Amino acid sequence: DVKVTQSSRYLVKRTGEKVFLECVQDMDHENMFWYRQDPGLGLRLIYFSYDVKMKEKGDIPEGYSVSREKKERFSLILESASTNQTSMYLCASSLWDISYNEQFFGPGTRLTVL
Amino acid sequence: TQLLEQSPQFLSIQEGENLTVYCNSSSVFSSLQWYRQEPGEGPVLLVTVVTGGEVKKLKRLTFQFGDARKDSSLHITAAQPGDTGLYLCAGAYYGGATNKLIFGTGTLLAVQP
Repeated sequence: DVKVTQSSRYLVKRTGEKVFLECVQDMDHENMFWYRQDPGLGLRLIYFSYDVKMKEKGDIPEGYSVSREKKERFSLILESASTNQTSMYLCASSLWDISYNEQFFGPGTRLTVL
Repeated sequence: TQLLEQSPQFLSIQEGENLTVYCNSSSVFSSLQWYRQEPGEGPVLLVTVVTGGEVKKLKRLTFQFGDARKDSSLHITAAQPGDTGLYLCAGAYYGGATNKLIFGTGTLLAVQP
């Protein structure tokens, strides 16, 4: 059974803290993605990676960075958490051409920044 | 900037009713995917449509890709409580070095028994 796992389901952090969200996939996929999901806004792409050590900014990269040191692992970093980063964070992976290949999603991390 | 608008945003219906969800854009997409997300889970792919005018059926769900590949619809016949969830469309387009996917705003469907 293919899987994308995320390190935490729920996380509560304080303003200014550095936050790490981890994502691991077991499907040997080239692409990995980080999205945030807010009501009425759908999924918005933060960053994606199409190979180890390669990354591209998505639509809302400000305040975030990413790291992909191994093919199966993609980390999202909030350098200094702020209250407007309270959201649901979803990680996904897919084979190379996302036009025709399914994105497999993890269960999400609900982050609250106080 | 690519935009995908879904309508309606919310839909609450009785079991057995029919419904249609729309996904619209002014941009052309190379393909269009539909996902369903249940509470506490990530989205799961339902279908991918690639050709303008294409119609795909998945049991009681019918998906259509517009002739100009700018819009899509999802029609559910005789809805059941198990259809409850958030429906998301996602359009693929060429974004420079790689193809990219943009998600719609989502339609939250509640089917009452």
